Amino acid sequence: GESVGLHLPTLSVQEGDNSIINCAYSNSASDYFIWYKQESGKGPQFIIDIRSNMDKRQGQRVTVLLNKTVKHLSLQIAATQPGDSAVYFCAEILGSGSARQLTFGSGTQLTVLP
Amino acid sequence: ETGVTQSPTHLIKTRGQQVTLRCSSQSGHNTVSWYQQALGQGPQFIFQYYREEENGRGNFPPRFSGLQFPNYSSELNVNALELDDSALYLCASSWESGDTQYFGPGTRLTVL
Repeated sequence: GESVGLHLPTLSVQEGDNSIINCAYSNSASDYFIWYKQESGKGPQFIIDIRSNMDKRQGQRVTVLLNKTVKHLSLQIAATQPGDSAVYFCAEILGSGSARQLTFGSGTQLTVLP
Repeated sequence: ETGVTQSPTHLIKTRGQQVTLRCSSQSGHNTVSWYQQALGQGPQFIFQYYREEENGRGNFPPRFSGLQFPNYSSELNVNALELDDSALYLCASSWESGDTQYFGPGTRLTVL
């Protein structure tokens, strides 16, 4: 079946550096993508989303890029801080009519080094 | 904080038992989705409730059932628990079915 996958399971960055987390999706019909951050023992926290009619969207310290040609999504975190350490999931929403369910990838563990 | 609450926080059951998990959606949200997250994995969609009706289901057996109440809170029921049902169960609410979903803190279920 169609799925969302991540390129790297772990990523370590120095505090203050920029982080880039990548995600590949396989279903070209997906039209909405969301990045979630999940800290240990907590539920996923919404970070930023992007619809398929856009290729870039910026939030506070975060930017999501969408390349529909190669079905690739990335999350850029500027000036990474210790509080950014968490597992990051990209998720896609596919479907119309019935439930537009989230399909998650397996996640990338981001570790911020002092 | 998203305003989505779940109870209980932790639960320990034995194989064959039944369990009910509860979720209160964020104010104004009429859609609740349930997910199962095994350790080290991404959440897997179980089903969604929209205005008190099941509105789609993932690849989970019928012993996973649920309902949604008029105030849009929801329950997840799992019968005949199996060891593999041990996981973090997450609910997420949204304004409508296709909108951004906001997650609760989850219920950690352990089946012995």
